[in-house]
Amino acid sequence: TAGITQAPTSQILAAGRSMTLRCTQDMRHNAMYWYRQDLGLGLRLIHYSNTAGTTGKGEVPDGYSVSRANTDDFPLTLASAVPSQTSVYFCASSDSGSGSTGELFFGEGSRLTVL
Amino acid sequence: GQNIDQPTEMTATEGAIVQINCTYQTSGFNGLFWYQQHAGEAPTFLSYNVLDGLEEKGRFSSFLSRSKGYSYLLLKELQMKDSASYLCAVLDSNYQLIWGAGTKLIIKP
Repeated sequence: TAGITQAPTSQILAAGRSMTLRCTQDMRHNAMYWYRQDLGLGLRLIHYSNTAGTTGKGEVPDGYSVSRANTDDFPLTLASAVPSQTSVYFCASSDSGSGSTGELFFGEGSRLTVL
Repeated sequence: GQNIDQPTEMTATEGAIVQINCTYQTSGFNGLFWYQQHAGEAPTFLSYNVLDGLEEKGRFSSFLSRSKGYSYLLLKELQMKDSASYLCAVLDSNYQLIWGAGTKLIIKP
C-alpha cells in the first residue's frame, strides 16, 4: 500500500524561482494537509483541505498556495521562493469520518533548500 | 496564545523505562496525540487520548489529565530502535492540531 507519496524527495532551488511539491494519497481520505518542519520548532500548518474543492490557510500560509482538484492530489506551490522557505515539507492526510480518531498519515517528506 | 511544552532531549538506557512529559495550554481540547519520528523520516501515529486516564498499547502507554493540561508517554523495556523524536500534539476547539517541538530520545546500550 502506497499511502501518501511526495515528490520530489529533495530539491535545491534558486531564490525567486517557482516550485511545486506534489502529494498524492490512495487512502481516499477527505482531509489533507501541508506542514513544514524546522529545527527546534513544532510542525507548522501551511494550508489544509477538508475535502476536494476546498482549501484553507494554516498558521504560516504566506508565500504558498495549494489546490485540491480531486480527492487524491494536493500540490503545494511556492510562487517565488525565498531562503526562509528552506525546510522539510510534509504532506499528510486523515480520515475525517465518524469513528475515526483523526490520526494523520504522513508522506516521507520533501527537503527543500532555497539558495 | 496556545502552547505545548515538552523536554527538548532525554537520555535513557536500553531495557529501562522512560517517561516523556507534555504540558499544554490551548483554546479548548478535543484530544491529544503522540507521534514517533525517526531521524530523516515521517512522523507515525502512536496514541490518542481524549478522556483522562492511561491508554496502554504494548510497550507504550499514554496518560492524560485534562484538568492539569498534562500528558505523558511511557516507554517500557526500551530498545535501541526507540531512539527517535516523540511529538505531542493537541486538537484545539477549532479542531486544529497544535504541535510541540518534540522530545529527542537517545537510548544508550
